[in-house]
Amino acid sequence: EVQLVESGGGLVQPGRSLRLSCTASGFTFGDYAMSWFRQAPGKGLEWVGFIRSKAYGGTTEYAASVKGRFTISRDDSKSIAYLQMNSLKTEDTAVYYCTPGVVTVDPWGQGTLVTVSS
Amino acid sequence: EIVLTQSPDFQSVTPKEKVTITCRASQSIGSSLHWYQQKPDQSPKLLIKYASQSFSGVPSRFSGSGSGTDFTLTINSLEAEDAATYYCHQSSSLPQTFGQGTKVEIK
Repeated sequence: EVQLVESGGGLVQPGRSLRLSCTASGFTFGDYAMSWFRQAPGKGLEWVGFIRSKAYGGTTEYAASVKGRFTISRDDSKSIAYLQMNSLKTEDTAVYYCTPGVVTVDPWGQGTLVTVSS
Repeated sequence: EIVLTQSPDFQSVTPKEKVTITCRASQSIGSSLHWYQQKPDQSPKLLIKYASQSFSGVPSRFSGSGSGTDFTLTINSLEAEDAATYYCHQSSSLPQTFGQGTKVEIK
């Protein structure tokens, strides 16, 4: 069974940084791209970006709203994907989710809440 | 960026009634359109992938159709447990985008 556990969220001031982790199990992590999505409180869903598997160069793609501020990386030896978030803005406040693959979003983990506020 | 527009935004429905939610894409996306259900205080769940393929474990009353720019999610014989917000999602091109959501309320 595929399991995803997002962690690292919390309250952070605007302009500061935070790193989220996505610990995966139940599948061969290194064979899959890993995607991040988010949902602001009471709002809809938004794609954040993804990192391809090493077989496809391990390259990344980002939404325009986070490009240049967020960085996705991966540690295949630990089955963890990371989302490094710098220069955080109040509009980055959301629950952040990770998922394997780049097509459908399944499964969804429980997410981790990031609150950007002074 | 491909914009997905869902209609309606909100629907109040009696049990056993049929529900139809549409999702229109601003340009053709083939069949790369997926549907999710999100109940209050829960993470979303995949219902339909590639426009019409039912996902494992999803009740048969949920079905999807369409291709190109116009897509439909149908819930036959609505049950009380189907009260949720439904989202469409396209993975045809980057950035991936979602519809704004359709909230289904049970009367």
